[in-house]
Amino acid sequence: EAGVTQSPTHLIKTRGQQATLRCSPISGHTSVYWYQQALGLGLQFLLWYDEGEERNRGNFPPRFSGRQFPNYSSELNVNALELEDSALYLCASSHSGKNYGYTFGSGTRLTVV
Amino acid sequence: GENVEQHPSTLSVQEGDSAVIKCTYSDSASNYFPWYKQELGKGPQLIIDIRSNVGEKKDQRIAVTLNKTAKHFSLHITETQPEDSAVYFCAASKSGTYKYIFGTGTRLKVLA
Repeated sequence: EAGVTQSPTHLIKTRGQQATLRCSPISGHTSVYWYQQALGLGLQFLLWYDEGEERNRGNFPPRFSGRQFPNYSSELNVNALELEDSALYLCASSHSGKNYGYTFGSGTRLTVV
Repeated sequence: GENVEQHPSTLSVQEGDSAVIKCTYSDSASNYFPWYKQELGKGPQLIIDIRSNVGEKKDQRIAVTLNKTAKHFSLHITETQPEDSAVYFCAASKSGTYKYIFGTGTRLKVLA
């Protein structure tokens, strides 16, 4: 069984640009979660999608947004990039309605210069 | 607000010794507590979890204990091996929110 896959592995952007990160959940999982892991910090909850809808949002500005597609894959968009957006962005998936047993992908390392 | 404190931030042990990592959560409604291991360049991997109706759970060399009254939970690793070296994160979650509140991580080094 394939795990959670994220692309790209690394992304370098200039301040003010937009970044798009992608995530494919484990087959059968309909919930997708996005977390930000800044250097030296724990994981901070960004967004939760389930069945194509945004269900919950963390304490991040509106320039962090995303969507979930009919095949349950997801995209995270970060607009007007700032230097402090540099971090590892992790995607996780789970069965709908289950708050246990997230499976994480390996992440996308976003560097803003 | 919701918060999970994790200690220590770094831990060095000799191979074969035990390691203990402790977490405290603030939201008394939390009912699910997973532990994740993150190796360099990889995403976090679930290693053990416990629900609030259980006080202790064990899986081979790894165990987790939960004290709901004190809002504490701990990870115990016995007979540590070099491959246990990684960053460990605790988290807390409650039904209905589906988001995890993570601790800030513990870097465990097992010295051969």
